[in-house]
Amino acid sequence: SQQGEEDPQALSIQEGENATMNCSYKTSINNLQWYRQNSGRGLVHLILIRSNEREKHSGRLRVTLDTSKKSSSLLITASRAADTASYFCASIRGSRLTFGEGTQLTVNP
Amino acid sequence: DTEVTQTPKHLVMGMTNKKSLKCEQHMGHRAMYWYKQKAKKPPELMFVYSYEKLSINESVPSRFSPECPNSSLLNLHLHALQPEDSALYLCASSQAGLAGIGWTDTQYFGPGTRLTVL
Repeated sequence: SQQGEEDPQALSIQEGENATMNCSYKTSINNLQWYRQNSGRGLVHLILIRSNEREKHSGRLRVTLDTSKKSSSLLITASRAADTASYFCASIRGSRLTFGEGTQLTVNP
Repeated sequence: DTEVTQTPKHLVMGMTNKKSLKCEQHMGHRAMYWYKQKAKKPPELMFVYSYEKLSINESVPSRFSPECPNSSLLNLHLHALQPEDSALYLCASSQAGLAGIGWTDTQYFGPGTRLTVL
């Protein structure tokens, strides 16, 4: 079974708006990663946040981690049509990378 | 070169066929992975190879047989598959072998092989 749960399952916004996706996990982690997947293709690593970090930025991406609530969020600012994809959080549990259920983001031009 | 390649892109096979999926990376990574992904679901780990040895088998049926001939190549041999095995099969690699707790490698994914079993 997958460790992470993400919400919303689907998100539709207009270009230029911000998109926020949330992820919850059940067990303690070493780090949490976010990946993007364009329709039917491989996953692309976006950002990794370690368990002792609370916030991390990379370009238009901002990730937060709250280990007390076992949750993380991914914020994409000034979204573009090219950001349309599925976004997955993934946590390291033991030696395994376990993915959340994912959020399907649609950015309308 | 940060690319993981997978062949073929698409594969259609009957339940009595034998076929193989191939994955290749030239990043010097020592861990390689097979995942299975059904439509609108997250990837599920199948196998992990660390330093060319099978480290993790997630209770995958024996009709799926992985092979790691060398540090750059990973194969998945398929035999007597069922229609429910139709899925996107993803290969990934990461820099270090498994290190247990504290393993923090980023995984690099290939584009996948879309498998249809008739």
